[in-house]
Amino acid sequence: QKEVEQDPGPLSVPEGAIVSLNCTYSNSAFQYFMWYRQYSRKGPELLMYTYSSGNKEDGRFTAQVDKSSKYISLFIRDSQPSDSATYLCAMSAGSGGSNYKLTFGKGTLLTVNP
Amino acid sequence: EPEVTQTPSHQVTQMGQEVILRCVPISNHLYFYWYRQILGQKVEFLVSFYNNEISEKSEIFDDQFSVERPDGSNFTLKIRSTKLEDSAMYFCASSEVGGTEAFFGQGTRLTVV
Repeated sequence: QKEVEQDPGPLSVPEGAIVSLNCTYSNSAFQYFMWYRQYSRKGPELLMYTYSSGNKEDGRFTAQVDKSSKYISLFIRDSQPSDSATYLCAMSAGSGGSNYKLTFGKGTLLTVNP
Repeated sequence: EPEVTQTPSHQVTQMGQEVILRCVPISNHLYFYWYRQILGQKVEFLVSFYNNEISEKSEIFDDQFSVERPDGSNFTLKIRSTKLEDSAMYFCASSEVGGTEAFFGQGTRLTVV
């Protein structure tokens, strides 16, 4: 089983739709969870950061973590054409420990159609 | 807004040549990283650096790779003898606290011919 799995899509939705993006993981040591947005040939841009289980909301974006199921989600409300990008989940085990690396999903390509 | 900056944005090099990729992390950050992304593939961890030493490295980061923080602001990745399969986007990242929010630069696209 891969350490982080993410459906690569592509996902195409109409403007205004609610988008749900998901990742599953196998490493129970992960406790820091991030969502990045990446435009073509650009660097990943940090969107949301969550520690452990629970929900976090920032504007139109909501991140959810369910550690018992090893499942994380990103919801985008009222999606806009400018949200069209690849969305990457990333996670790490460490803070103050030795495992600082981020492990990424493959990314989901999202297109929001006007 | 503070950001991680990388130079050059694109580097073309001949196989067997040495390249140095440069990064200026966010100024108050303490943890520095290099990742790479081969076209169409996942972003992969290469190395993390803290307190002037490597704290973790992946199996990709073999003897042909090295990192250095030559002064208080720059962080470099050196590839000693480039191979065709080193062609990728190389991203520098930094974080205030290890393993948490990491901010990425725009990347250097390395093409080995």
